[in-house]
Amino acid sequence: AQKVTQAQTEISVVEKEDVTLDCVYETRDTTYYLFWYKQPPSGELVFLIRRNSFDEQNEISGRYSWNFQKSTSSFNFTITASQVVDSAVYFCALSLRYTGNQFYFGTGTSLTVIP
Amino acid sequence: DAGVIQSPRHEVTEMGQEVTLRCKPISGHNSLFWYRQTMMRGLELLIYFNNNVPIDDSGMPEDRFSAKMPNASFSTLKIQPSEPRDSAVYFCASSPLRLGPDTQYFGPGTRLTVL
Repeated sequence: AQKVTQAQTEISVVEKEDVTLDCVYETRDTTYYLFWYKQPPSGELVFLIRRNSFDEQNEISGRYSWNFQKSTSSFNFTITASQVVDSAVYFCALSLRYTGNQFYFGTGTSLTVIP
Repeated sequence: DAGVIQSPRHEVTEMGQEVTLRCKPISGHNSLFWYRQTMMRGLELLIYFNNNVPIDDSGMPEDRFSAKMPNASFSTLKIQPSEPRDSAVYFCASSPLRLGPDTQYFGPGTRLTVL
């Protein structure tokens, strides 16, 4: 069975602190894809990143970085020097090679950045 | 390019009434997804279509819910009769249909309130 676990339900940090959001996934498939989405207070779901299981290179995009480790089945997301605009719910999702485009979403982590 | 378009953005109705939610996917995307989001259950996949054909509707709560995709540029989700427990935000998402899972792009959502 496929599953995505985001154990951190809520996180609060003070502005300019770094914060890491954890994502652990379960699948027996060897080909899969991982995603992160952001849902700000306005409600829309915004795509952040997509990785496939064959690419374990870490990725950095501005203040955002992602650490993909197959050995621990984790795909963690770090925000450096957090800002108030980073306050949102962040979702991690898993999709498999042979199940079409169906996503398995985690329950989300609500991040609050305090000014 | 326009993103996924959903209408209406907000809907307030009374129990027992029929509700129709509409979605226009991104042009060229062949997969379309309907999700429901509530505080209690998080993001739930209701149904998804590939090339206008329903692939998996196992997430549809019950017979009161139905979804159609008459063509590549339009889909509807209908609830008849509506009940207060159907109150939620309903998202439509679309994705290219390629060999492997691709990014899903979400619409702004329809906030449904059933009184």
